[in-house]
Amino acid sequence: EAQVTQNPRYLITVTGKKLTVTCSQNMNHEYMSWYRQDPGLGLRQIYYSMNVEVTDKGDVPEGYKVSRKEKRNFPLILESPSPNQTSLYFCASSQIGGGSKQPQHFGAGTRLSIL
Amino acid sequence: QKEVEQDPGPLSVPEGAIVSLNCTYSNSAFQYFMWYRQYSRKGPELLMYTYSSGNKEDGRFTAQVDKSSKYISLFIRDSQPSDSATYLCSTLGRQGAQKLVFGQGTRLTINP
Repeated sequence: EAQVTQNPRYLITVTGKKLTVTCSQNMNHEYMSWYRQDPGLGLRQIYYSMNVEVTDKGDVPEGYKVSRKEKRNFPLILESPSPNQTSLYFCASSQIGGGSKQPQHFGAGTRLSIL
Repeated sequence: QKEVEQDPGPLSVPEGAIVSLNCTYSNSAFQYFMWYRQYSRKGPELLMYTYSSGNKEDGRFTAQVDKSSKYISLFIRDSQPSDSATYLCSTLGRQGAQKLVFGQGTRLTINP
């Protein structure tokens, strides 16, 4: 089954304790992206990657890091989490090219609470 | 100004009603327009996809784009309780780029 898998689904942690949210896709997609979703603000892009070793900032990259060492994986790293990073996070992936836009497939989400 | 504006609702209608969901966008360079549906505790899933102006129909759903007024609409005919979800409009501006810009999402409830 084609899917984007995020882990963990839920996490409660404390300020300053480094954490990583993993994202893996099994569709051989080039493009991967992280979003956060907050009430009243909708989905905002954090970082994206067009291919292995190619990453770039989205609209709200502050406080986050990513890496793309393998095509299927795109982890989101919070080196020193703060309460304003409490949010619902989504990973997404899609193909690139083919003459038309390819839909983005989203994971089920990770709910992070930073105390 | 947000690039995509969407009334967050909530919107509640009786079963069988026609639902109209709307967004406006600010950048005339946007060409690709999408509607995503998001059920509670789930990730968004692509519902409709249109390019440039015009209408696109898929079953009970019709997506409409008016580039002259920078207006995006989604119509749901014969609405069902299973249509209850948050609907997100989205645009994608440049060929070769994959960055989605989302509206805030409209929470819709269809009452039996």
